Amino acid sequence: DSGVTQTPKHLITATGQRVTLRCSPRSGDLSVYWYQQSLDQGLQFLIQYYNGEERAKGNILERFSAQQFPDLHSELNLSSLELGDSALYFCASSAGVGYTFGSGTRLTVV
Amino acid sequence: AQSVTQPDIHITVSEGASLELRCNYSYGATPYLFWYVQSPGQGLQLLLKYFSGDTLVQGIKGFEAEFKRSQSSFNLRKPSVHWSDAAEYFCAVDPNAGNNRKLIWGLGTSLAVNP
Repeated sequence: DSGVTQTPKHLITATGQRVTLRCSPRSGDLSVYWYQQSLDQGLQFLIQYYNGEERAKGNILERFSAQQFPDLHSELNLSSLELGDSALYFCASSAGVGYTFGSGTRLTVV
Repeated sequence: AQSVTQPDIHITVSEGASLELRCNYSYGATPYLFWYVQSPGQGLQLLLKYFSGDTLVQGIKGFEAEFKRSQSSFNLRKPSVHWSDAAEYFCAVDPNAGNNRKLIWGLGTSLAVNP
């Protein structure tokens, strides 16, 4: 157990739908990062939050959004889902340098 | 552009043989460097990391990596591979750009181990 918890582990949904992925960071870590792992793009940085505020954005689509709550857990919202959004979504947390990853949420869009 | 290159998409070695996985990066300064391993259907496990100091770093599972500034490389090595090492290996770089932190990933090297 890495200390970073992601739920759900698996998600199957239809095109056009909206889903929410949840991440609880390791205790004490203020930063949360979201990454997408797909077969064609590999691992891509999506977005970073630090203590509730957005800190950095990567290759995140406009249909995707995220937030970090006062208790430091984070949610990644994916809307108007397309087949190409099927991927493994990882959350990582950090207290500064170095990252701890959760086990990921596998999203399948059908 | 900032990038991380893992030249070998797939490598097959025999159990007990030595292993070297290559990683090159292109950044102006020395970034933070990482190697992660991912078993099929699993998450990302940190093998080792380099921030500064001794350029030869030891990691878990008998892995080590050497940072060579002149070659912008951070190659992963293991003297004797075990069948359980079969997995996908990712090199990642944190550009260490102030508060704007993130990991830039290589495309990975898939390792197969023959008995």
